[in-house]
Order: sequence, then C-alpha cells, then structure tokens
Amino acid sequence: RKEVEQDPGPFNVPEGATVAFNCTYSNSASQSFFWYRQDCRKEPKLLMSVYSSGNEDGRFTAQLNRASQYISLLIRDSKLSDSATYLCVVAGNNAGNMLTFGGGTRLMVKP
Amino acid sequence: DAGITQSPRHKVTETGTPVTLRCHQTENHRYMYWYRQDPGHGLRLIHYSYGVKDTDKGEVSDGYSVSRSKTEDFLLTLESATSSQTSVYFCAISERGAVYGYTFGSGTRLTVV
Repeated sequence: RKEVEQDPGPFNVPEGATVAFNCTYSNSASQSFFWYRQDCRKEPKLLMSVYSSGNEDGRFTAQLNRASQYISLLIRDSKLSDSATYLCVVAGNNAGNMLTFGGGTRLMVKP
Repeated sequence: DAGITQSPRHKVTETGTPVTLRCHQTENHRYMYWYRQDPGHGLRLIHYSYGVKDTDKGEVSDGYSVSRSKTEDFLLTLESATSSQTSVYFCAISERGAVYGYTFGSGTRLTVV
C-alpha cells in the first residue's frame, strides 16, 4: 500500500464548478499535511497547508480528518487557470524529516 | 521566490557515463533534498542532507551519490548512468524541515540514451 494515495483523475469540470479531491495516508504518526500544485513540466509549488481545524484560502478549502487519515481539497468557482495536478503531501514522524508525496490528481477546467 | 537553482536544466547523456547535477541555494536553508519524478510513480526521494557533510539515503538511492561540502550546494551524481535513470530531477530546500514544507527548484530533465 502506498503511503499517500490519491485518485489520479483526470477530473474534467466546467468553469465555475466546485470540485473536491481526497487523499488518504497510512502513517498515523504523520505530523504535517499540505497540498501542492504542479503545472505541466514545472516544479511543485505549495498551495496550502492543512490544519486539523480546516483552513480556507480564497476559493480553496482544505480539511484534515486524523481519525480516518484523509485529507481533502475543495475548489469553488473553478477557473481555467486552476488546471494542474494537485499533490497531496504528508510529513511523517521520521528522523529524515521528509515529505512523502501522493501521485497527484489531475484537474482540467474547461470553458 | 526562494533562491534555488538547478543546473543543467536539460541534459542528454550516454549509458555508462557519470553525470553530476547541481542544486544551488541562496537561502542558507539547512535541509536539501533530491527527488526524481516519473509517470506512475510520482515524486520519490533519492537522497537528502540535513547539514554540511550530513547526508542520508532516500527510498531510491541505488546508483546515486550526493555531496554537500557547502551549505549552498548539493550535488547529485549518477555514477554510471542507465536508461532507467531517465527522469526529471527536482531539488528542494527547507529551512526547518519537512513539517514546514519545501521549496522546489525548476528541475533537471535528464535523458540517458
């Protein structure tokens, strides 16, 4: 079983739609959680951190459910520019102080 | 954006030759990482460093070595390149470790023929 699992998609949605991605992680001792965005042939960039209380940044809302070990990302009012791959990322309680990446969920927003 | 640069940006090399990729940062961050990204596998950690001359292996370290003689530079060497090492290589930096997230370089696209 992969440490961080995501549905690879693609999710094809029209502009203005609301779309949600989920991610599950296997290490219950994980400490920090993030969503990264990666555009085609570019480096991953931090979109937002994910907190237990949930957090919102404009049209983006992230939620963490520690009991069920899943993380979600909700995008409201999708824009064409939201088209990208969204990576679910977990920082484990490991000596190497490393991030573990999910395989990514591809989102395509259509006019 | 954080000052992190990778060189070269693109490279084509022949099987069996050694190759060195460079990651240079101007942020004085303690932690540096090398990842490779392949279709179907996502980002996988090759090696990482938690200080000058302090390095350790990641999950896919076979065939790779690293060195960090200065805070700002982290070198990744493919000792004898193979076609399976054709990939996109990303360097990342972090000031205080993974719990605070990373900043990535723009990547090196390596093709081994």
